[in-house]
Amino acid sequence: KQEVTQIPAALSVPEGENLVLNCSFTDSAIYNLQWFRQDPGKGLTSLLLIQSSQREQTSGRLNASLDKSSGRSTLYIAASQPGDSATYLCAVDGGATNKLIFGTGTLLAVQP
Amino acid sequence: EPEVTQTPSHQVTQMGQEVILRCVPISNHLYFYWYRQILGQKVEFLVSFYNNEISEKSEIFDDQFSVERPDGSNFTLKIRSTKLEDSAMYFCASSRTGGLFNEQFFGPGTRLTVL
Repeated sequence: KQEVTQIPAALSVPEGENLVLNCSFTDSAIYNLQWFRQDPGKGLTSLLLIQSSQREQTSGRLNASLDKSSGRSTLYIAASQPGDSATYLCAVDGGATNKLIFGTGTLLAVQP
Repeated sequence: EPEVTQTPSHQVTQMGQEVILRCVPISNHLYFYWYRQILGQKVEFLVSFYNNEISEKSEIFDDQFSVERPDGSNFTLKIRSTKLEDSAMYFCASSRTGGLFNEQFFGPGTRLTVL
């Protein structure tokens, strides 16, 4: 059964700092890994999708990497801003199915 | 930019009542999903729907739950007889494809409170 873990559970950094969020999963038979952002009481905003054949994806200040064989992904945020404060979730699909299996998230606070 | 919409944003109901949560997926998407998130817990998969039928459902999705795509735009989740433990945020999602290019886009959610 696929399990997704995110470390750390919470992170507080000063504005301008570069940071890394970690995601690990137990079953490497995935098609995709998706990173989301969730603001308090709100929906999930898709940030990046990495397909299993890719090693990384970039969008603006965000860079996500995937090491499928070791079951790990990282989300790198460059030059963090207070507006980046949110919970970041990673999710993997079920391989043979399309359902997403989510981690517990990392709550990020960027201090001005 | 196209987005998934959900109504209502908040629904309060009495235990044992039926509720219908509504979603309008992105218009050219073919795969539809419902997830839920109990306060303080992980987002959990409920059901996926493709080609007018359920393609997968979780253990949570028992006989009290049903989904329907009554027309070309709406996708609904019905809970027949709500329980206290059904209180959660319910998210609808859609994707254009499945498999390798399955990027799912989520709506803002419906907060369901069962009293």
